[in-house]
Amino acid sequence: NAGVTQTPKFQVLKTGQSMTLQCAQDMNHEYMSWYRQDPGMGLRLIHYSVGAGITDQGEVPNGYNVSRSTTEDFPLRLLSAAPSQTSVYFCATRGAGGSAAYFGPGTRLTVT
Amino acid sequence: AQKVTQAQTEISVVEKEDVTLDCVYETRDTTYYLFWYKQPPSGELVFLIRRNSFDEQNEISGRYSWNFQKSTSSFNFTITASQVVDSAVYFCALSENNAGNNRKLIWGLGTSLAVNP
Repeated sequence: NAGVTQTPKFQVLKTGQSMTLQCAQDMNHEYMSWYRQDPGMGLRLIHYSVGAGITDQGEVPNGYNVSRSTTEDFPLRLLSAAPSQTSVYFCATRGAGGSAAYFGPGTRLTVT
Repeated sequence: AQKVTQAQTEISVVEKEDVTLDCVYETRDTTYYLFWYKQPPSGELVFLIRRNSFDEQNEISGRYSWNFQKSTSSFNFTITASQVVDSAVYFCALSENNAGNNRKLIWGLGTSLAVNP
């Protein structure tokens, strides 16, 4: 039972490159989300999904795309990386009701 | 509107001191959930506790305790006899009634706790 996994753990991109951050869960949670964490700014929601085939924007969605074809996977795509997207990215899942969110280990992304 | 305020940005204590981390929240809902998470220097986010709005009992888990007071909209976290391993950033979060598809969490900005030997 791996919980929530993310790959890669570290990534360096050049401005303009694209990439996909992977997130997978084996907790059978319908709700999944992506956050970015920047110094002094806490956790900011990028995109979220309430189930396969359903996604929606969070508070900082620009420059990112998501899709949810299965319950288990929720990849985050950076379309054209910018230095402002240098951050630590966390994927999280959450079960029904008021249950807690469980986080992946994070991906540290640097855009040069 | 929902909001979570952690007024203490950084706290520094000496080992074995008690320390309280404050969390004040705003919500219009009568049903809501409060959470605390720990982020140690290694970077992962670790769930510590969940409390629903109908349960005002304080919770104790080892050296950790939580004081939930609806009258003051606070959900404070106390570490007794702090240890160096408690050094981390601690986040408080709020979720309103999860009817339907709304399961977003509202986060405080975190309190960075340094426990010095």
